[in-house]
Amino acid sequence: TQLLEQSPQFLSIQEGENLTVYCNSSSVFSSLQWYRQEPGEGPVLLVTVVTGGEVKKLKRLTFQFGDARKDSSLHITAAQPGDTGLYLCAPGKNDYKLSFGAGTTVTVRA
Amino acid sequence: DAGVTQSPTHLIKTRGQQVTLRCSPKSGHDTVSWYQQALGQGPQFIFQYYEEEERQRGNFPDRFSGHQFPNYSSELNVNALLLGDSALYLCASSLAVEGYEQYFGPGTRLTVT
Repeated sequence: TQLLEQSPQFLSIQEGENLTVYCNSSSVFSSLQWYRQEPGEGPVLLVTVVTGGEVKKLKRLTFQFGDARKDSSLHITAAQPGDTGLYLCAPGKNDYKLSFGAGTTVTVRA
Repeated sequence: DAGVTQSPTHLIKTRGQQVTLRCSPKSGHDTVSWYQQALGQGPQFIFQYYEEEERQRGNFPDRFSGHQFPNYSSELNVNALLLGDSALYLCASSLAVEGYEQYFGPGTRLTVT
């Protein structure tokens, strides 16, 4: 079982501030996925990172995959209340089973 | 294009009872996975169905069982409910040939009293 540690567990910031959340493991991943789950909804896939050192941008969200493919970070610039949610990471695996970390709960205050 | 739908939205059961949750996959998808999400935790994989058979199973007891129908919809059954079974149950669908991108439904909130 590949254990994922996500940090911090909770994050509360003011609108307009920046934030970074982390996803770490001792295992090497072939790829890693980031999801956001809003209250009352299921998780929604944000991005899949595949190559070590890869950086992907999705509007104000920047995703980075570590060179060794053991860790990843998600940075949000100028956070908005709509960014509020539970951010989850999961290794992408060919057997289609997702093993999520515990997630980071992000609250952006207006 | 209809996304993943689940029913019911909320459910309250008593310890020892049995429950059935239902899921209709996204149009065109043939694979359904079920996850249990306890409060404040990430989803935990229960099992996955493809071609009407259980293809993979997570670390859940036999009280958890499922079924997939010819139209690809699926049911999750839980027998002899325990208080610890209270959780959000998520269904996710995918298309086997396209790999592991899964689309989640809104979930069924089960409360066991």
